[in-house]
Amino acid sequence: AQSVTQLDSHVSVSEGTPVLLRCNYSSSYSPSLFWYVQHPNKGLQLLLKYTSAATLVKGINGFEAEFKKSETSFHLTKPSAHMSDAAEYFCVVSPAANDYKLSFGAGTTVTVRA
Amino acid sequence: GAVVSQHPSWVICKSGTSVKIECRSLDFQATTMFWYRQFPKQSLMLMATSNEGSKATYEQGVEKDKFLINHASLTLSTLTVTSAHPEDSSFYICSAEEGQGAGDTQYFGPGTRLTVL
Repeated sequence: AQSVTQLDSHVSVSEGTPVLLRCNYSSSYSPSLFWYVQHPNKGLQLLLKYTSAATLVKGINGFEAEFKKSETSFHLTKPSAHMSDAAEYFCVVSPAANDYKLSFGAGTTVTVRA
Repeated sequence: GAVVSQHPSWVICKSGTSVKIECRSLDFQATTMFWYRQFPKQSLMLMATSNEGSKATYEQGVEKDKFLINHASLTLSTLTVTSAHPEDSSFYICSAEEGQGAGDTQYFGPGTRLTVL
């Protein structure tokens, strides 16, 4: 069984300041981990993916995430927030075994103040 | 990158009618596609897994006779909401899996907003 917990339902930051979105997971296998972003009334866009290679994963739009097995965490960061980063972010886990179902976190809403 | 399209992006229909939503993988072949439903301010709920050339696998609680899924080719899956009712109003999102192994990336379509009057 697997699950995903996004520790913050809402994060508010000022433009130009760092963003941190926290995600913890549990999995019986060595999972693949993803961060997706969803802008209003849009589908999900892949930001980055971890698949047991480098633990620090760089994604699009300046985002990166660090996989920490000992802490079962996969937190998403960006050094400088932009107004266009305001959106909903989902941490997602996919098991490595023969199961195609993704486990979604509840989502974190990011607002960016000018 | 891999692109998935959905059509239509929004649809309004009368209660009792049927609505078909298309999901296409534009630059890759997808043996497996997925259909999700998303309620306001909530995460995605998997409705069914669509496999090319075979019957879809529905999640518990999803009526397969109401939500008909057809995956006729490696680039197209369709979801038909039959005899739609206002409670079927929602945001429907499809995804397509690039690759054939568990853990492969799912690429999501832009979603279809269904409103049933």
